[in-house]
Amino acid sequence: AQTVTQSQPEMSVQEAETVTLSCTYDTSESNYYLFWYKQPPSRQMILVIRQEAYKQQNATENRFSVNFQKAAKSFSLKISDSQLGDTAMYFCAFTLGGGADGLTFGKGTHLIIQP
Amino acid sequence: DAGVIQSPRHEVTEMGQEVTLRCKPISGHDYLFWYRQTMMRGLELLIYFNNNVPIDDSGMPEDRFSAKMPNASFSTLKIQPSEPRDSAVYFCASSLAQGGTQYFGPGTRLLVL
Repeated sequence: AQTVTQSQPEMSVQEAETVTLSCTYDTSESNYYLFWYKQPPSRQMILVIRQEAYKQQNATENRFSVNFQKAAKSFSLKISDSQLGDTAMYFCAFTLGGGADGLTFGKGTHLIIQP
Repeated sequence: DAGVIQSPRHEVTEMGQEVTLRCKPISGHDYLFWYRQTMMRGLELLIYFNNNVPIDDSGMPEDRFSAKMPNASFSTLKIQPSEPRDSAVYFCASSLAQGGTQYFGPGTRLLVL
């Protein structure tokens, strides 16, 4: 079974700073996908970024980027120029490739952006 | 384009009552997933369907829980009888056959008294 670990229950940074959220996972498979989802107080689960395991290049979406280290099974999320609207729970998630499968989630990191 | 639609958004019921949660996936998506979110257990996969057929229901907690997908545009998750420990947020998500990206509905917050 796959597991996802987020070791930082809560983080707090000042607006405009850069913050990195950690995620490690465990799997014996080689074909899989990794995700970061954001959950603001509205409860909506919003996709932030997606990484295919077979791609060596780290995914980037505007101010959000990942550091994907396949050998170390690490998948951290970096948020640059943080904004008040980035305050939310952030979940790291894993799914096997070769077709859709359920997501395995970490416990989440509560990120607070201070004005 | 409409996203995943769930109803009701909030449900308050008494222990022992039947609860039915509803989901309409994104048109064209072949996979539909039901998740439950609680403080204690986080986000858990309950069941998922491919082309309306249940593929993996190993996450369904007990026989009190059942899920159906009678057609490509509708799914239900039923709890009968409900118990206070079923109180949670229930999410429905859908995805295309390839790629794995799942799009979530707004969730149903269930409170069983």
